[in-house]
Amino acid sequence: DIQMTQSPSTLSASVGDRVTITCRASQSISSWLAWYQQKAGKAPNLLIYEASTLESGVPSRFSGSGSGTDFTLTIISLQPDDFATYYCQQYYSYPLTFGGGTKVEIK
Amino acid sequence: QVQLVESGGGMVQPGRSLRLSCAASAFPFTSFAMHWVRQAPGKGLEWVALISYDGSNRYYADSVRGRFTISRDNLKNTLYLQMNSLGAEDTAVYYCAREDADYLDSWGQGTLVTVSS
Repeated sequence: DIQMTQSPSTLSASVGDRVTITCRASQSISSWLAWYQQKAGKAPNLLIYEASTLESGVPSRFSGSGSGTDFTLTIISLQPDDFATYYCQQYYSYPLTFGGGTKVEIK
Repeated sequence: QVQLVESGGGMVQPGRSLRLSCAASAFPFTSFAMHWVRQAPGKGLEWVALISYDGSNRYYADSVRGRFTISRDNLKNTLYLQMNSLGAEDTAVYYCAREDADYLDSWGQGTLVTVSS
């Protein structure tokens, strides 16, 4: 199974900050990576797929980059609605696997 | 707008069975593979199972293989998860999700399964 490791597990930031979350795969997954946002008590919501393609309707302050084993999710100017938990997920092979999550908290 | 509505969750004793349903609407259900993903209380996301658009292919996580069965009724636009021999480790919110080119682009609101005596 491909292991997905996210860092940090928790991140404290302020509105307007630039935030970067890292996801590392245990083997190359090409660009077969998605990012999801999950707010407390809600279902995950797709933000980015194929490592860097923004899902329709997702604000342009979100961006993704990387390929192979190392990936990043960047929020260029954190907004109040962005305080949530973020997960990466590989879909290179089964079983699908998720990172452990990064909780973005208010500083 | 894509709608996925799960049902069938609840409290069940260890060793018993439960069947979850996911009613799909507002998209051509027969054209999409579907997944179940679960989330234990306070924990991260765990993929559970996949079924292809026509039901001909199914994949399972090792943790549920042999105990859980994913199925679908394309006439009723409904996805199912039959869960047998449930244990405390299966306690979680179960989400159904639609697959678009291997990533999960739409999710239901989830249904809570609690396994406890």
